[in-house]
Amino acid sequence: ETGVTQTPRHLVMGMTNKKSLKCEQHLGHNAMYWYKQSAKKPLELMFVYNFKEQTENNSVPSRFSPECPNSSHLFLHLHTLQPEDSALYLCASSQDAGQGARGYGYTFGSGTRLTVV
Amino acid sequence: GDSVTQMEGPVTLSEEAFLTINCTYTATGYPSLFWYVQYPGEGLQLLLKATKADDKGSNKGFEATYRKETTSFHLEKGSVQVSDSAVYFCALSDQGTALIFGKGTTLSVSS
Repeated sequence: ETGVTQTPRHLVMGMTNKKSLKCEQHLGHNAMYWYKQSAKKPLELMFVYNFKEQTENNSVPSRFSPECPNSSHLFLHLHTLQPEDSALYLCASSQDAGQGARGYGYTFGSGTRLTVV
Repeated sequence: GDSVTQMEGPVTLSEEAFLTINCTYTATGYPSLFWYVQYPGEGLQLLLKATKADDKGSNKGFEATYRKETTSFHLEKGSVQVSDSAVYFCALSDQGTALIFGKGTTLSVSS
């Protein structure tokens, strides 16, 4: 158990569907992150939330919509995705985004494997 | 901008062989450096870290030394095991920014 739980583990959705990914942590962390992991590419930072406020949107298309109702939960709402959005979506948390990862690192979930058909 | 460059994989070794995975970085400030490992079907786990020059991070037999003069943070292990087969990511955090990762290096160890 890593301390960060992501559901579902696998998701297949059509291009017209709407679905949501969920991330939950009970580590007492105040920052949460969404990363996209595609084959043969570096992990791409998508969104950063610090104390429930979005502090970074890394030019992510609007078909991805994050939500952070509290410091323990993070969602990624998906709609009208494209096949190239198929990837492993990783959630991570850290003590405080203001500190970045300095000296502490992030705790990652196991990811949601998303396939868009 | 800041970036991390890792050696291309895959790296294929026999059990008990010596491992080196090269990592170099570019940063405007004085970053913290990390190695993460991803086992099949799992998320990333922090393997080791270093926050200042000449620091050596170590864990599970793996080591990496923060070399500011060569902007490097190479990962080494003296004797790999089959269970070390995974993808290894070098990463940095500079001036409070989110982690920036390299592309990852796949290690395959055979018995």
